[in-house]
Amino acid sequence: DAGVTQSPTHLIKTRGQQVTLRCSPKSGHDTVSWYQQALGQGPQFIFQYYEEEERQRGNFPDRFSGHQFPNYSSELNVNALLLGDSALYLCASSYHNTEAFFGQGTRLTVV
Amino acid sequence: GENVEQHPSTLSVQEGDSAVIKCTYSDSASNYFPWYKQELGKGPQLIIDIRSNVGEKKDQRIAVTLNKTAKHFSLHITETQPEDSAVYFCAASRGGFGNEKLTFGTGTRLTIIP
Repeated sequence: DAGVTQSPTHLIKTRGQQVTLRCSPKSGHDTVSWYQQALGQGPQFIFQYYEEEERQRGNFPDRFSGHQFPNYSSELNVNALLLGDSALYLCASSYHNTEAFFGQGTRLTVV
Repeated sequence: GENVEQHPSTLSVQEGDSAVIKCTYSDSASNYFPWYKQELGKGPQLIIDIRSNVGEKKDQRIAVTLNKTAKHFSLHITETQPEDSAVYFCAASRGGFGNEKLTFGTGTRLTIIP
C-alpha cells in the first residue's frame, strides 16, 4: 500500500502565477482534505472533498479551489499566488469514520 | 471556531525519561483528539488518538489522557528514545475519525538527549 502520495514534492512559482497540486489517497479511502502548514506552525484546514464535492471549507480565500475525481484523487489549485502562500501543503485521506492519513506534502515557494 | 493551544513549544528530556505534552481546546462539541508526529521533511504521522467517551488510552510507550470537563488532553511518552525526537502536534475535531476538519495545535519540538 503506497499510502497517500502527493506531487510534486517541491516547486517554485512567481507571485501572481497559478499552481496545481495533486494527491492520490490511500487505497480504499474516499475522503480527501487539504491543509496548509506554514513554517513552524501547525497545519491549517483548507477544505475537504467527498463524493467529488467540497464538503467543508476553512478560512481561505476563493483563490484556493479544489477538485476530486471519480477515482478519489484530488487537486488543489491556487490562483494569483502571494508570497504568503509559501508553505507545505498537505493532503490527508480517510474513509468514512476512520483516522486521517497524511501525505509527505508539497513544499511551495512563491518568489 | 475551535482553538487548540499546545504547550510547551519545545521540550528536551534525557533518554529514558518521560515526556508530557499538554493541549487545551475551546469547542465543547469536539469529540476526537489525535496526536501526530512529524519528522523533518515528512508529513504528520498519526501515533495515537482518543475519543471523548474514553478517559485514557495507551499503546506501548505512548499514552493519551482526556479531561472533557476541563477541555484538555495530554500525550505521555515513557522510556524516551532518540527516535522519539520530532515535532508533535495535537488536534481536535467534532466528527469522529477524519470526516470533520482537524484543528491543530502549534506543535512541540521534542528533543531526546542521549
